[in-house]
Amino acid sequence: QLVESGGGLVQPGGSLRLSCAASGFTFISYAMSWVRQAPGKGLEWVSAISGGSEVTYYGDSVKGRFTTFRDNSKNTVFLQMNSLRADDTALYYCAKHILHGSFDIWGQGTMVTVSS
Amino acid sequence: QSALTQPPSASGSPGQSVTISCTGTSSDVGGYNHVSWYQQHPGKAPKLMIFDVSERPSGVPDRFSGSKSGNTASLTVSGLQADDEADYYCCSYGGTYNVFGTGTKVTVL
Repeated sequence: QLVESGGGLVQPGGSLRLSCAASGFTFISYAMSWVRQAPGKGLEWVSAISGGSEVTYYGDSVKGRFTTFRDNSKNTVFLQMNSLRADDTALYYCAKHILHGSFDIWGQGTMVTVSS
Repeated sequence: QSALTQPPSASGSPGQSVTISCTGTSSDVGGYNHVSWYQQHPGKAPKLMIFDVSERPSGVPDRFSGSKSGNTASLTVSGLQADDEADYYCCSYGGTYNVFGTGTKVTVL
């Protein structure tokens, strides 16, 4: 199970940190991704982090602004979002990888709204 | 990292089949056998239906099948049922990124 938290309303240029608490599987064994969905739009992959945090990858639209990290002692993955823009407004899901590009467990999402 | 191209909509009557295409590049769809498909009902989180082009997770009916040729992957839903009406997204691994398709709304007539 994955449970996201930390979403909310933030002004343009502001920062927000999302959390995703995992349970029911060996957390350190799996890479994790963040995926977002703007209202009425499609899915957009945001970032991924390997099980031991050795590597992180980011989508072009968030590179340099967002950082993903994890605390395996707390079975939690985070998304630090800085310099937020209106087009970052979306429902943010965390998702567990089973293989490259495949996500078998998804949370219910946490909503981020960037607006003045 | 351009979004993979899917048709906006597809439809079929109950019992019929529908096939959705997903076109990428040689850097993603064509370069790896790591294409997955997701079903999303309104207000719900996506559900994995196919991974690694044609593999079905446990619990997914064999009415769902996947394939790939060159830079284009496809999802076929056979024996359409009312509950198959949903949005479908493909996703491909691209080495240092993952990329989703634009999404296809499947309507069961």
